[in-house]
Amino acid sequence: NAGVMQNPRHLVRRRGQEARLRCSPMKGHSHVYWYRQLPEEGLKFMVYLQKENIIDESGMPKERFSAEFPKEGPSILRIQQVVRGDSAAYFCASSPVSGSTDTQYFGPGTRLTVL
Amino acid sequence: DQQVKQNSPSLSVQEGRISILNCDYTNSMFDYFLWYKKYPAEGPTFLISISSIKDKNEDGRFTVFLNKSAKHLSLHIVPSQPGDSAVYFCAASGPDMRFGAGTRLTVKP
Repeated sequence: NAGVMQNPRHLVRRRGQEARLRCSPMKGHSHVYWYRQLPEEGLKFMVYLQKENIIDESGMPKERFSAEFPKEGPSILRIQQVVRGDSAAYFCASSPVSGSTDTQYFGPGTRLTVL
Repeated sequence: DQQVKQNSPSLSVQEGRISILNCDYTNSMFDYFLWYKKYPAEGPTFLISISSIKDKNEDGRFTVFLNKSAKHLSLHIVPSQPGDSAVYFCAASGPDMRFGAGTRLTVKP
């Protein structure tokens, strides 16, 4: 049973370009979470999705960031018109059910560098 | 706002000794607490958890203690091993999960 997959592992973009980060949850998991880790900071919640639904996007910046989890295919975190401050490690986690007692399983992360 | 705080950014202990990592939270709605371990260039991996109805959970060398009245939990690793050197994140759930900033543990041989 493969774990959570994220690709690419490393992504370099110039300011103003778009970044697309992909996350394939563990088999059987229908809940996906995205987190961002800025240098010298902890993990910050961004968004929680179920298939075809955004459940909680309270941690997402209001502009330029969007996320989706379509019925088929991976979850996508999209950052438009990237800026240097978007440089960070982005982690995706999945869980089989939602609930306060559920453990999240993390992918290896995508390290985004904005030049 | 930081609902989960790990006030020590780093900790260094000698191999064989006890490592104690601390975590404080502010939201009384949290009812499940977890510790994750993270190596460089890897995603966090689940280590141990505790429900708010308990005050202690033990798994091998790892024990988590929860003090609800103080809104404080700690992770004890004994004996510490060099392979335990990593960043440890405290997380609290109820229903959303929030993480602390992490504590970098270094275990010296």
